[in-house]
Amino acid sequence: SQTIHQWPATLVQPVGSPLSLECTVEGTSNPNLYWYRQAAGRGLQLLFYSVGIGQISSEVPQNLSASRPQDRQFILSSKKLLLSDSGFYLCAWSVQGSPFEKLFFGSGTQLSVL
Amino acid sequence: KQEVTQIPAALSVPEGENLVLNCSFTDSAIYNLQWFRQDPGKGLTSLLLIQSSQREQTSGRLNASLDKSSGRSTLYIAASQPGDSATYLCAVSSGNTPLVFGKGTRLSVIA
Repeated sequence: SQTIHQWPATLVQPVGSPLSLECTVEGTSNPNLYWYRQAAGRGLQLLFYSVGIGQISSEVPQNLSASRPQDRQFILSSKKLLLSDSGFYLCAWSVQGSPFEKLFFGSGTQLSVL
Repeated sequence: KQEVTQIPAALSVPEGENLVLNCSFTDSAIYNLQWFRQDPGKGLTSLLLIQSSQREQTSGRLNASLDKSSGRSTLYIAASQPGDSATYLCAVSSGNTPLVFGKGTRLSVIA
């Protein structure tokens, strides 16, 4: 069966510090991968998605970047965090072929930038 | 641009009551519609997915309907239980475009 791992679960970082959140999927090959952010009162916002290694689509201009160094690994990064980067970050995957079919989410990372 | 609205934002009901959560979307040219459940501080769990050619999907006590022409979907929960307390999110896909999520309905089922 397929599983998705996301870590860390909680992170407190000072403004201006770097960020690296990692997500890995097991039990499937060539998945579509996604990073979402959920901010209080703002709903779920798609940040990046990837349909293959090295293929990253950015949905919104921001202080963040994403990379997919391996087929089942998706990394969210920032060189310098802003206060506005605080939020709940969710990684998700779906079966390759239909990019926006059924999504499976990780357990999330609560990021607080102070 | 697709927009998804969920009403009400929060709902509190006594245990055992049947309830309906509403979702509306502005662009009826959708590929599918999905309902998710989110417990506090957790990720999202997919509950039901309705393809654009379908009118409803059922899973246990949950039934989701879709009316594309009017841009509406409802999630019906029968005989609600305290364990159903969570935030329920609706999301629509227009095919090769990202899912657009509503802000969710926070449900509390009181024992």
